[in-house]
Amino acid sequence: EPEVTQTPSHQVTQMGQEVILRCVPISNHLYFYWYRQILGQKVEFLVSFYNNEISEKSEIFDDQFSVERPDGSNFTLKIRSTKLEDSAMYFCASSEAVGIPLVDQPQHFGDGTRLSIL
Amino acid sequence: DQQVKQNSPSLSVQEGRISILNCDYTNSMFDYFLWYKKYPAEGPTFLISISSIKDKNEDGRFTVFLNKSAKHLSLHIVPSQPGDSAVYFCAANKVPGYALNFGKGTSLLVTP
Repeated sequence: EPEVTQTPSHQVTQMGQEVILRCVPISNHLYFYWYRQILGQKVEFLVSFYNNEISEKSEIFDDQFSVERPDGSNFTLKIRSTKLEDSAMYFCASSEAVGIPLVDQPQHFGDGTRLSIL
Repeated sequence: DQQVKQNSPSLSVQEGRISILNCDYTNSMFDYFLWYKKYPAEGPTFLISISSIKDKNEDGRFTVFLNKSAKHLSLHIVPSQPGDSAVYFCAANKVPGYALNFGKGTSLLVTP
């Protein structure tokens, strides 16, 4: 079964450094997402991306964050200057379509990248 | 803000019995509800969903019930198996494919 793959599985970075998290969504999917889960808290939406544009973003997704689809298969999340509070599990997800009424359009998640900021 | 709430952090059930996981939501604009299952060191795996025009959806051992007037949904697993032991997340959004709002999860343990 096709799956979303994320690399690396664990990233350790010094505070203030830039970090790029990588994802390969399911190949026929058109919508891409990033979520994060801080330890002990719920999974939180960061951003969604379609047709090379951000379609929706949360308050968490400030100017320190950016997303890109650099080629036909990868989808990346960049944190420009990391802070201690960015330490979390980051999940990438993808879905085939959006907004079609009455049709299952689940988001499929990767196994996540654990980001540790020192 | 907790728009999706799972008030039971954990649940223990014997193998073969029914597991019932509950979820409440506050946002009346939510129209699409999903359950995800998560094992340690893995991402959430989609289990089953329901749209607001239905009150029940079934897929094998899994059934989701939606009570819109009470803003409540539940996931029933019958019969429960030890492999069902995982964290179960309830999630909701306004339109399929838009940002998902997650609950904090319920850890289910199915004992032999």
